[in-house]
Amino acid sequence: GQNIDQPTEMTATEGAIVQINCTYQTSGFNGLFWYQQHAGEAPTFLSYNVLDGLEEKGRFSSFLSRSKGYSYLLLKELQMKDSASYLCAVKDSNYQLIWGAGTKLIIKP
Amino acid sequence: NAGVTQTPKFRVLKTGQSMTLLCAQDMNHEYMYWYRQDPGMGLRLIHYSVGEGTTAKGEVPDGYNVSRLKKQNFLLGLESAAPSQTSVYFCASSYQGVHTGELFFGEGSRLTVL
Repeated sequence: GQNIDQPTEMTATEGAIVQINCTYQTSGFNGLFWYQQHAGEAPTFLSYNVLDGLEEKGRFSSFLSRSKGYSYLLLKELQMKDSASYLCAVKDSNYQLIWGAGTKLIIKP
Repeated sequence: NAGVTQTPKFRVLKTGQSMTLLCAQDMNHEYMYWYRQDPGMGLRLIHYSVGEGTTAKGEVPDGYNVSRLKKQNFLLGLESAAPSQTSVYFCASSYQGVHTGELFFGEGSRLTVL
């Protein structure tokens, strides 16, 4: 079967750095997405990785290792507004998106 | 641009009642999707459409029907609601082809079936 694993919840301190991991087992691979979802709101796109390596976008970076079936989202200089759920999703060989259950990130002052 | 708009935002139904959720997008996207989101689970695809007049089943299509009569609209119908259909429903749209396939989501529709 197809599976995406993420930690259920993480806590970090304002101003610090946090890494949210995502491991996947899917039928083929055609890209990995990270989305941010604030409570009661819609998911919004953060990043897309299709090749191995690190993609940096401001305070957020996303890393992919296809051979390990692994990705992480790195958030730097954490702000209170970063408190949200972070969803990992993989596009499989049929170009269907398989979603993880999400990681709830709690930022403490 | 409004992006993706869903109506209604909230609805309470009794078991056996029917209803339709409307999704409208103004980005001229070919692809549209209906997902449900339940606690502790990833988003699950109900139905999707790759263009006007086409629909296809997703991961959890039972109990739902859809129609895409106009390119900008994608309707999700529940013919006989069941408590198991209590969920938050998200509509999304995306470009086709060479784009990354980033999804643009509506604000969600929270449905409770009693």
